[in-house]
Amino acid sequence: QKEVEQNSGPLSVPEGAIASLNCTYSDRGSQSFFWYRQYSGKSPELIMFIYSNGDKEDGRFTAQLNKASQYVSLLIRDSQPSDSATYLCAVNFVGRGSQGNLIFGKGTKLSVKP
Amino acid sequence: SAVISQKPSRDICQRGTSLTIQCQVDSQVTMMFWYRQQPGQSLTLIATANQGSEATYESGFVIDKFPISRPNLTFSTLTVSNMSPEDSSIYLCSVEGTGGPRTQYFGPGTRLLVL
Repeated sequence: QKEVEQNSGPLSVPEGAIASLNCTYSDRGSQSFFWYRQYSGKSPELIMFIYSNGDKEDGRFTAQLNKASQYVSLLIRDSQPSDSATYLCAVNFVGRGSQGNLIFGKGTKLSVKP
Repeated sequence: SAVISQKPSRDICQRGTSLTIQCQVDSQVTMMFWYRQQPGQSLTLIATANQGSEATYESGFVIDKFPISRPNLTFSTLTVSNMSPEDSSIYLCSVEGTGGPRTQYFGPGTRLLVL
């Protein structure tokens, strides 16, 4: 059973702080890793993807991937109240019978306090 | 990324009936996906819909319950058949985008409540 695990939270950080969201996955063959943001009542919005070990930065967001530890994280610098949402980690598994579908974690709810 | 629309945006249905959800994309895409998000849960893939072939269903989902059509490269439908209250969920379609391999972009979703 391929799994993606996230701490459900809520994770509460003050405005301006760094929010750190973590995700682990079970399949060492996983190739692609994604972070989605989902506001309440809305559909998921892709904010970052990463394929290689190391860090990838995009504005205030940094994705970090460690394939040896099967761990991917998302850092949000200078957190804003508008960042308050549920963050979903998704992993692409490729294998027999699969078309490279995404497996989603249950999400971490982030709350940024003014 | 592609612009994706879904109809209806929400509906309230009686048990035993069926609902067809439409997904329209503003550009041609090879792969379209249908997901379910039950209350308080994450997304679960129902099936992958490729134009010109039968949909591929994930474990736990069957064609009789969730028939899918993919008549062209910009459109797909998902039908939720013989509904029960357990089918109350958000149903989302997604498409693979050009942002990178396996990146998926989601439509706005259809919120279904079955009474």
